[in-house]
Amino acid sequence: QKEVEQDPGPLSVPEGAIVSLNCTYSNSAFQYFMWYRQYSRKGPELLMYTYSSGNKEDGRFTAQVDKSSKYISLFIRDSQPSDSATYLCAMKGDYKLSFGAGTTVTVRA
Amino acid sequence: EPEVTQTPSHQVTQMGQEVILRCVPISNHLYFYWYRQILGQKVEFLVSFYNNEISEKSEIFDDQFSVERPDGSNFTLKIRSTKLEDSAMYFCAAQGRGTQNLEGYTFGSGTRLTVV
Repeated sequence: QKEVEQDPGPLSVPEGAIVSLNCTYSNSAFQYFMWYRQYSRKGPELLMYTYSSGNKEDGRFTAQVDKSSKYISLFIRDSQPSDSATYLCAMKGDYKLSFGAGTTVTVRA
Repeated sequence: EPEVTQTPSHQVTQMGQEVILRCVPISNHLYFYWYRQILGQKVEFLVSFYNNEISEKSEIFDDQFSVERPDGSNFTLKIRSTKLEDSAMYFCAAQGRGTQNLEGYTFGSGTRLTVV
């Protein structure tokens, strides 16, 4: 079983739609759960991170963590064409980050 | 957060040659990391470095790889004898304060290494 699983998509939605992304994981030692955005040939850019189970909101973005199910989600409300990118989930125990494969999202104008 | 700068942005090298990738974090970064991303694949952890020594490394980080921070600023990744399968984007990341400070876990823009 892979340590972090993420559907690579691609996902295409119309402008204004809700984008729903998710990851599952197998390592119970993960303590921090992150979502990164990555543009082509650029480094990952941190969007949000959470520590415990529950929801965290930041503007149009909502991150959810369910540790009992080992499942995390990212929702993007009122999506914009500028949200088109690859979204990576990542999880952290002590030092290293373990990434999902990334989901490529296209928001159509 | 201040940026992490990586040089070069793109390097082409012949198989068997040595390459050195450089990362310039800011002075208050304490923890340093290298990750790589083969085209179309996930970002993979290579090594973490703290207090001038390796704190954790992955199975990818074999004897062909080494890291150092010789002058207290540049953090380098050396690949001694490159193989075709080393072709990838290599990302440096740096972090200040405690390892819990995720907002300070900053990635550089990467070096694209092409081995021919």
